[in-house]
Amino acid sequence: QSVLTQPPSVSGAPGQRVTISCTGSSSNIGAGYDVHWYQQLPGTAPKVLIYVNNNRPSGVPDRFSGSKSGTSASLAITGLQAEDEANYYCQSYDNSLSGFWVFGGGTKLTVL
Amino acid sequence: EVQLVESGGGLVQPGGSLRLSCAASGFTFSNYWMHWVRQVPGKGLVWVSRIHSDGSTTRYADSVKGRFTISRDNAKNTVFLQMNSLRAEDAAVYYCVREPMIGYYFDYWGQGALVTVSS
Repeated sequence: QSVLTQPPSVSGAPGQRVTISCTGSSSNIGAGYDVHWYQQLPGTAPKVLIYVNNNRPSGVPDRFSGSKSGTSASLAITGLQAEDEANYYCQSYDNSLSGFWVFGGGTKLTVL
Repeated sequence: EVQLVESGGGLVQPGGSLRLSCAASGFTFSNYWMHWVRQVPGKGLVWVSRIHSDGSTTRYADSVKGRFTISRDNAKNTVFLQMNSLRAEDAAVYYCVREPMIGYYFDYWGQGALVTVSS
């Protein structure tokens, strides 16, 4: 059971827009901690896709965007492409107990 | 270019020990907090442990506390994860990751080291 909740899967046709939600609680996202997103292509290590809610590292296309509100966050992907098919994970920090870094369970994006 | 290269993975019996290493290059290693994150193949990411840039403080997930020890050698640009009393549920790919100076996230990941726990 992951601390952050994501849908197990989403899908969309090439060119479409999809969103992936990430729901937390008052001890992580709701406490004001930033949300970050990672993309994991098959057989590879994760890479950061969005950091600090809505910032893209250099090299990440502007088709990817992030937002955060209250105890939730979202990743939006526009102009869906075949190479976007991957697993996506949200991540934040949780201040319960002694504090720790938390992930969502991951969302498998299928490009139809 | 930032590089993180893990080594030391392999097959170990339940109750056994293993030490993972992560060699860092391409950045001033002693300035950064370092972490270990693990992933059971086909499953999600789970944070394991973190060490302060100077090695002064460490944190662990409850699932590994008392069994795993994170350490670092800033002279050799290397971070370690000593894993003792290994259980079947510790089997996973272990990633060495860097936390940037600001942000509570992970900006660079190693390729991962596979740990298999089986008799």
